[in-house]
Amino acid sequence: GAVVSQHPSRVICKSGTSVKIECRSLDFQATTMFWYRQFPKQSLMLMATSNEGSKATYEQGVEKDKFLINHASLTLSTLTVTSAHPEDSSFYICSAVLDLTLHFGNGTRLTVT
Amino acid sequence: KNEVEQSPQNLTAQEGEFITINCSYSVGISALHWLQQHPGGGIVSLFMLSSGKKKHGRLIATINIQEKHSSLHITASHPRDSAVYICAVYGATNKLIFGTGTLLAVQP
Repeated sequence: GAVVSQHPSRVICKSGTSVKIECRSLDFQATTMFWYRQFPKQSLMLMATSNEGSKATYEQGVEKDKFLINHASLTLSTLTVTSAHPEDSSFYICSAVLDLTLHFGNGTRLTVT
Repeated sequence: KNEVEQSPQNLTAQEGEFITINCSYSVGISALHWLQQHPGGGIVSLFMLSSGKKKHGRLIATINIQEKHSSLHITASHPRDSAVYICAVYGATNKLIFGTGTLLAVQP
């Protein structure tokens, strides 16, 4: 069964609004989760590393004020896309590591109109 | 040039064929992952390798650290194997670096 649950799977929002994506580890505690972004026909790009109880570590070029990450508990990390623009439309996916194995959420397809 | 290169980018095979997907990388690594991404976007980890060879069912993964090369083989391919296969490596920064993927279509 799923080890990492991501919600929602699809979301359509209007420009200027904010969207929150949740990533939950099921039946295990994840002190670290990873958020990726994938454009069509491109590889995954790491956006940030989410650390429970502390600030997220953002990759170069990723705006931390635009992509807010909160890892308030050992089983939940959230990514909020603030003031979304059409260019933020993409596939966002989270992952966590359990027993040296990568586990991914099913991803969230965000469309900003 | 990408740090992780995969070939081929696209592959069409007939059901039953033996399939090989290649991954070459240019950085020092601690481990390499093979991932499978389904059409809906979900990703499943197939293998993690740091040396040698691993087998799981019809899938075989090999890695040659000296040559900085890994291969994923699928024996007796089936249409349900159709997916994007992604090679990813843990580099010196201990962050995953992804290849661009190989789109595999297995026709019945």
